[in-house]
Amino acid sequence: NAGVIQTPRHKVTGKGQEATLWCEPISGHSAVFWYRQTIVQGLEFLTYFRNQAPIDDSGMPKERFSAQMPNQSHSTLKIQSTQPQDSAVYLCASSSGQYAEQFFGPGTRLTVL
Amino acid sequence: AQKVTQTQTSISVVEKTTVTMDCVYETRDSSYFLFWYKQTASGEIVFLIRQDSYKKENATVGHYSLNFQKPKSSIGLIITATQIEDSAVYFCAMRENYGSSGNKLIFGIGTLLSVKP
Repeated sequence: NAGVIQTPRHKVTGKGQEATLWCEPISGHSAVFWYRQTIVQGLEFLTYFRNQAPIDDSGMPKERFSAQMPNQSHSTLKIQSTQPQDSAVYLCASSSGQYAEQFFGPGTRLTVL
Repeated sequence: AQKVTQTQTSISVVEKTTVTMDCVYETRDSSYFLFWYKQTASGEIVFLIRQDSYKKENATVGHYSLNFQKPKSSIGLIITATQIEDSAVYFCAMRENYGSSGNKLIFGIGTLLSVKP
């Protein structure tokens, strides 16, 4: 069985450019989560979808960050006008239900120059 | 406030021995879920084991087991018969069980385990 798929695995952008990160959850999983990992902040929650509907975006920076889940097979995280402090590994996770454990993808390493 | 604390930044053990990693948590909820994940050198984050707060019996999966002490808000991970390939960073995480925000994981900072021959 395929796990969570994330593309690209690595992305380098210049300051001020846009970055779009893609996630394909495990087939049949109804919940999708985005997290960010940095050395300084560790693993931080960004946003959560259940059955494609946005449920909790309390971890998302209010400006420049947005996430969507247009269908059950993929979600995107978009960062506009990227800044060096956005450099991190962005992780997508999915779970089969509200109380199930989350399974993580390999992450996208974003580097903003 | 929700918080997960791992005080051991790194542990080194000899293979085939048993290691315990500590984790304490803070929550305002009476019902919550606790998880342990490991992150390998390649960056892959792997789910290992979970403990639901309402269960009194400690969870066990393979050579992983938990020491759940609810009055102390503590959930230790025990790895028996450690192997070289157990070398990784181990994260403790908590998920509360209330409202729409009760699904996100709150992670500790991780404990680096090195298993040596």
